[in-house]
Amino acid sequence: GQNIDQPTEMTATEGAIVQINCTYQTSGFNGLFWYQQHAGEAPTFLSYNVLDGLEEKGRFSSFLSRSKGYSYLLLKELQMKDSASYLCAVRVNDYKLSFGAGTTVTVRA
Amino acid sequence: KAGVTQTPRYLIKTRGQQVTLSCSPISGHRSVSWYQQTPGQGLQFLFEYFSETQRNKGNFPGRFSGRQFSNSRSEMNVSTLELGDSALYLCASSLMLGSPEAFFGQGTRLTVV
Repeated sequence: GQNIDQPTEMTATEGAIVQINCTYQTSGFNGLFWYQQHAGEAPTFLSYNVLDGLEEKGRFSSFLSRSKGYSYLLLKELQMKDSASYLCAVRVNDYKLSFGAGTTVTVRA
Repeated sequence: KAGVTQTPRYLIKTRGQQVTLSCSPISGHRSVSWYQQTPGQGLQFLFEYFSETQRNKGNFPGRFSGRQFSNSRSEMNVSTLELGDSALYLCASSLMLGSPEAFFGQGTRLTVV
């Protein structure tokens, strides 16, 4: 199986930047995903990286280094509504998705 | 367009019973995946269906099964329920097998007493 690690919790101030790291060990890597999940709601897709580098989408960016088994999700200009759990997920060649335990981000005023 | 619809939203069952959960994917999507989410284990992959065939299976006992119909709707069944099966069961819909983006339904909250 895949070993996916991400911090359990992070706290930041409104307007600040937060970087959520995710490391993974896997064979047959076929993509890394980030999802956002608000309490009591379904996960929503944020980003997908399959090649090395940075993908930017508005206030959110995701980075991947396949050689290091490392990704991060960067949240800029934090807003209160960004308080949620952020899930890192790795897909392997058979298209199975394995999720990390999630990072709970709390945004404070 | 309508999102992923899961029914029922909430369910209470007793140990030993069986349960069937339903998922209607986004119109035009042909791949449906099922996940179990618990506070202790996080999101765990159950299985994935595409074109009425199970393409992938996670590490769950045989009590967990599923199927997909010709209209891409999917059901999952859990037999001989155990207390530990209490969880949020999420269904995700994708256009094709291996599509980068998956859309999740609101889930079915199953409580086994």
